[in-house]
Amino acid sequence: DVKVTQSSRYLVKRTGEKVFLECVQDMDHENMFWYRQDPGLGLRLIYFSYDVKMKEKGDIPEGYSVSREKKERFSLILESASTNQTSMYLCASSLGGISTDTQYFGPGTRLTVL
Amino acid sequence: KNQVEQSPQSLIILEGKNCTLQCNYTVSPFSNLRWYKQDTGRGPVSLTIMTFSENTKSNGRYTATLDADTKQSSLHITASQLSDSASYICVVSAPLTGGGNKLTFGTGTQLKVEL
Repeated sequence: DVKVTQSSRYLVKRTGEKVFLECVQDMDHENMFWYRQDPGLGLRLIYFSYDVKMKEKGDIPEGYSVSREKKERFSLILESASTNQTSMYLCASSLGGISTDTQYFGPGTRLTVL
Repeated sequence: KNQVEQSPQSLIILEGKNCTLQCNYTVSPFSNLRWYKQDTGRGPVSLTIMTFSENTKSNGRYTATLDADTKQSSLHITASQLSDSASYICVVSAPLTGGGNKLTFGTGTQLKVEL
Protein backbone atom coordinates (compact mmCIF):
# COMPACT_ATOMS: atom_id res chain seq x y z
CA ASP A 1 0.00 0.00 0.00
CA VAL A 2 1.09 3.53 -0.71
CA LYS A 3 1.84 5.46 2.41
CA VAL A 4 1.98 9.24 2.55
CA THR A 5 2.86 10.66 5.93
CA GLN A 6 2.79 14.22 7.17
CA SER A 7 4.95 15.41 10.04
CA SER A 8 2.18 16.81 12.22
CA ARG A 9 -1.57 16.27 12.52
CA TYR A 10 -2.13 19.52 14.40
CA LEU A 11 0.02 22.63 14.53
CA VAL A 12 -0.47 26.00 16.23
CA LYS A 13 1.77 28.89 15.23
CA ARG A 14 1.87 32.62 15.75
CA THR A 15 1.60 35.29 13.07
CA GLY A 16 4.99 35.96 11.49
CA GLU A 17 6.53 32.61 12.37
CA LYS A 18 8.23 30.49 9.74
CA VAL A 19 6.39 27.18 9.38
CA PHE A 20 7.60 23.94 7.83
CA LEU A 21 5.19 21.18 6.83
CA GLU A 22 6.86 17.92 5.87
CA CYS A 23 5.52 15.17 3.65
CA VAL A 24 7.10 11.79 2.94
CA GLN A 25 5.95 9.05 0.56
CA ASP A 26 7.33 5.53 0.45
CA MET A 27 6.35 4.37 -3.06
CA ASP A 28 9.02 6.03 -5.20
CA HIS A 29 6.40 8.30 -6.75
CA GLU A 30 7.58 10.95 -9.21
CA ASN A 31 4.89 13.52 -8.44
CA MET A 32 4.10 15.25 -5.17
CA PHE A 33 1.51 17.91 -4.38
CA TRP A 34 0.50 20.31 -1.64
CA TYR A 35 -3.14 21.36 -1.24
CA ARG A 36 -5.09 23.34 1.27
CA GLN A 37 -8.68 22.48 2.11
CA ASP A 38 -11.12 25.07 3.43
CA PRO A 39 -14.85 24.69 4.12
CA GLY A 40 -16.94 25.46 1.05
CA LEU A 41 -13.91 25.83 -1.23
CA GLY A 42 -12.73 22.29 -1.88
CA LEU A 43 -9.09 21.37 -2.29
CA ARG A 44 -6.91 24.00 -3.89
CA LEU A 45 -3.46 23.28 -5.31
CA ILE A 46 -0.62 25.31 -3.80
CA TYR A 47 2.49 23.79 -5.41
CA PHE A 48 3.48 20.56 -7.07
CA SER A 49 6.65 18.82 -8.13
CA TYR A 50 7.29 16.36 -10.97
CA ASP A 51 10.87 15.61 -10.02
CA VAL A 52 13.57 16.23 -7.46
CA LYS A 53 14.53 19.90 -7.19
CA MET A 54 11.69 20.76 -9.53
CA LYS A 55 8.61 22.76 -8.51
CA GLU A 56 5.63 24.32 -10.22
CA LYS A 57 3.12 26.84 -8.89
CA GLY A 58 -0.43 25.72 -8.43
CA ASP A 59 -3.51 27.90 -8.20
CA ILE A 60 -2.71 29.66 -4.90
CA PRO A 61 1.10 29.81 -4.38
CA GLU A 62 1.21 33.26 -2.80
CA GLY A 63 2.70 33.19 0.70
CA TYR A 64 4.11 29.68 0.25
CA SER A 65 7.27 28.05 -1.03
CA VAL A 66 8.33 24.42 -1.38
CA SER A 67 11.42 22.28 -1.36
CA ARG A 68 12.08 18.86 -2.85
CA GLU A 69 15.66 17.85 -2.19
CA LYS A 70 14.90 14.13 -2.18
CA LYS A 71 12.38 12.17 -4.22
CA GLU A 72 10.44 10.92 -1.23
CA ARG A 73 10.16 14.23 0.61
CA PHE A 74 8.25 17.40 -0.26
CA SER A 75 8.20 20.32 2.15
CA LEU A 76 5.80 23.25 2.28
CA ILE A 77 7.16 26.44 3.81
CA LEU A 78 5.22 29.41 5.11
CA GLU A 79 7.87 32.13 5.28
CA SER A 80 5.81 34.39 7.54
CA ALA A 81 2.59 32.77 8.68
CA SER A 82 -0.59 34.82 8.60
CA THR A 83 -4.03 34.14 10.07
CA ASN A 84 -5.52 33.60 6.60
CA GLN A 85 -3.24 30.59 6.24
CA THR A 86 -5.15 28.77 8.97
CA SER A 87 -6.35 25.69 7.11
CA MET A 88 -6.09 21.94 6.58
CA TYR A 89 -3.01 21.13 4.50
CA LEU A 90 -2.97 17.92 2.49
CA CYS A 91 0.00 16.37 0.77
CA ALA A 92 -0.42 13.88 -2.08
CA SER A 93 1.81 11.80 -4.31
CA SER A 94 1.31 9.98 -7.59
CA LEU A 95 3.30 7.70 -9.85
CA GLY A 96 3.01 9.94 -12.90
CA GLY A 97 3.14 9.24 -16.61
CA ILE A 98 -0.46 8.22 -17.30
CA SER A 99 -3.69 10.16 -17.65
CA THR A 100 -5.45 8.00 -15.04
CA ASP A 101 -2.72 8.63 -12.48
CA THR A 102 -4.08 8.28 -8.91
CA GLN A 103 -3.12 10.77 -6.24
CA TYR A 104 -2.65 9.27 -2.78
CA PHE A 105 -3.21 11.63 0.09
CA GLY A 106 -1.65 11.96 3.51
CA PRO A 107 -3.79 12.39 6.64
CA GLY A 108 -3.49 16.18 6.62
CA THR A 109 -2.08 18.82 8.95
CA ARG A 110 -4.53 21.18 10.58
CA LEU A 111 -2.63 24.44 10.96
CA THR A 112 -3.91 27.25 13.17
CA VAL A 113 -2.18 30.63 12.97
CA LEU A 114 -2.96 32.92 15.91
CA LYS B 1 -13.62 28.80 -15.74
CA ASN B 2 -13.43 25.09 -14.96
CA GLN B 3 -15.83 24.20 -12.17
CA VAL B 4 -17.14 21.13 -10.39
CA GLU B 5 -20.41 21.44 -8.51
CA GLN B 6 -21.78 18.81 -6.19
CA SER B 7 -25.22 18.30 -4.71
CA PRO B 8 -26.58 18.00 -2.18
CA GLN B 9 -24.17 19.79 0.11
CA SER B 10 -25.12 17.44 2.95
CA LEU B 11 -27.33 14.41 3.38
CA ILE B 12 -28.58 12.29 6.28
CA ILE B 13 -29.89 8.79 5.64
CA LEU B 14 -30.79 5.75 7.71
CA GLU B 15 -28.53 2.74 7.76
CA GLY B 16 -29.45 0.25 5.05
CA LYS B 17 -30.93 2.85 2.70
CA ASN B 18 -29.56 3.80 -0.70
CA CYS B 19 -28.53 7.27 -1.78
CA THR B 20 -27.26 9.09 -4.86
CA LEU B 21 -24.84 11.99 -4.94
CA GLN B 22 -24.57 14.30 -7.94
CA CYS B 23 -21.69 16.03 -9.68
CA ASN B 24 -21.89 18.50 -12.57
CA TYR B 25 -18.78 19.88 -14.21
CA THR B 26 -17.72 22.39 -16.84
CA VAL B 27 -14.10 21.19 -17.13
CA SER B 28 -12.84 21.02 -20.68
CA PRO B 29 -10.97 19.28 -22.17
CA PHE B 30 -11.81 16.21 -20.12
CA SER B 31 -9.48 13.39 -19.16
CA ASN B 32 -11.23 11.50 -16.37
CA LEU B 33 -13.56 11.83 -13.40
CA ARG B 34 -12.86 10.40 -10.01
CA TRP B 35 -14.86 10.06 -6.79
CA TYR B 36 -12.95 10.28 -3.52
CA LYS B 37 -14.13 9.43 -0.01
CA GLN B 38 -12.77 11.53 2.84
CA ASP B 39 -13.34 10.37 6.39
CA THR B 40 -13.24 13.04 9.09
CA GLY B 41 -9.65 13.91 9.93
CA ARG B 42 -8.25 11.86 7.06
CA GLY B 43 -7.00 12.47 3.56
CA PRO B 44 -9.24 11.59 0.57
CA VAL B 45 -9.15 8.03 -0.78
CA SER B 46 -10.00 7.21 -4.40
CA LEU B 47 -13.18 5.14 -4.90
CA THR B 48 -13.68 5.07 -8.67
CA ILE B 49 -12.25 6.56 -11.83
CA MET B 50 -13.96 6.87 -15.22
CA THR B 51 -12.52 8.00 -18.52
CA PHE B 52 -14.47 9.54 -21.37
CA SER B 53 -15.50 6.18 -22.83
CA GLU B 54 -16.75 4.68 -19.57
CA ASN B 55 -20.26 5.37 -18.30
CA THR B 56 -20.32 3.25 -15.17
CA LYS B 57 -17.83 1.89 -12.66
CA SER B 58 -18.45 -0.06 -9.45
CA ASN B 59 -16.43 -0.56 -6.30
CA GLY B 60 -18.35 -2.79 -3.91
CA ARG B 61 -21.48 -0.95 -2.80
CA TYR B 62 -20.38 2.20 -4.64
CA THR B 63 -21.43 2.69 -8.28
CA ALA B 64 -20.44 5.76 -10.24
CA THR B 65 -21.98 6.82 -13.54
CA LEU B 66 -20.75 9.32 -16.10
CA ASP B 67 -22.56 11.14 -18.89
CA ALA B 68 -19.82 12.96 -20.74
CA ASP B 69 -22.31 14.62 -23.10
CA THR B 70 -24.20 16.39 -20.33
CA LYS B 71 -21.09 16.58 -18.11
CA GLN B 72 -22.78 14.90 -15.19
CA SER B 73 -21.77 12.13 -12.84
CA SER B 74 -23.46 10.40 -9.94
CA LEU B 75 -22.28 8.18 -7.10
CA HIS B 76 -24.82 5.65 -5.87
CA ILE B 77 -24.33 4.01 -2.50
CA THR B 78 -26.28 0.83 -1.89
CA ALA B 79 -27.31 -0.54 1.51
CA SER B 80 -25.55 2.21 3.41
CA GLN B 81 -23.50 1.49 6.51
CA LEU B 82 -22.42 3.70 9.39
CA SER B 83 -18.87 3.60 7.99
CA ASP B 84 -20.11 5.34 4.83
CA SER B 85 -20.42 8.54 6.85
CA ALA B 86 -17.86 10.81 5.19
CA SER B 87 -17.40 13.57 2.65
CA TYR B 88 -17.57 12.44 -0.99
CA ILE B 89 -15.58 14.55 -3.40
CA CYS B 90 -15.94 14.64 -7.18
CA VAL B 91 -12.68 15.41 -9.00
CA VAL B 92 -12.38 16.11 -12.72
CA SER B 93 -9.07 15.86 -14.51
CA ALA B 94 -8.06 17.84 -17.59
CA PRO B 95 -4.93 17.18 -19.64
CA LEU B 96 -2.28 19.88 -19.64
CA THR B 97 -0.59 20.83 -22.92
CA GLY B 98 2.83 20.34 -21.35
CA GLY B 99 1.93 16.93 -19.96
CA GLY B 100 0.32 15.85 -16.73
CA ASN B 101 -3.19 16.59 -15.53
CA LYS B 102 -4.94 19.50 -13.87
CA LEU B 103 -7.41 18.44 -11.18
CA THR B 104 -10.50 20.44 -10.30
CA PHE B 105 -12.14 19.45 -7.02
CA GLY B 106 -15.76 19.77 -6.01
CA THR B 107 -16.56 20.98 -2.50
CA GLY B 108 -17.96 17.59 -1.51
CA THR B 109 -21.20 16.12 -0.21
CA GLN B 110 -21.19 15.44 3.51
CA LEU B 111 -23.03 12.15 4.11
CA LYS B 112 -24.16 11.02 7.52
CA VAL B 113 -25.60 7.54 8.01
CA GLU B 114 -27.67 7.09 11.16
CA LEU B 115 -29.15 4.11 12.97
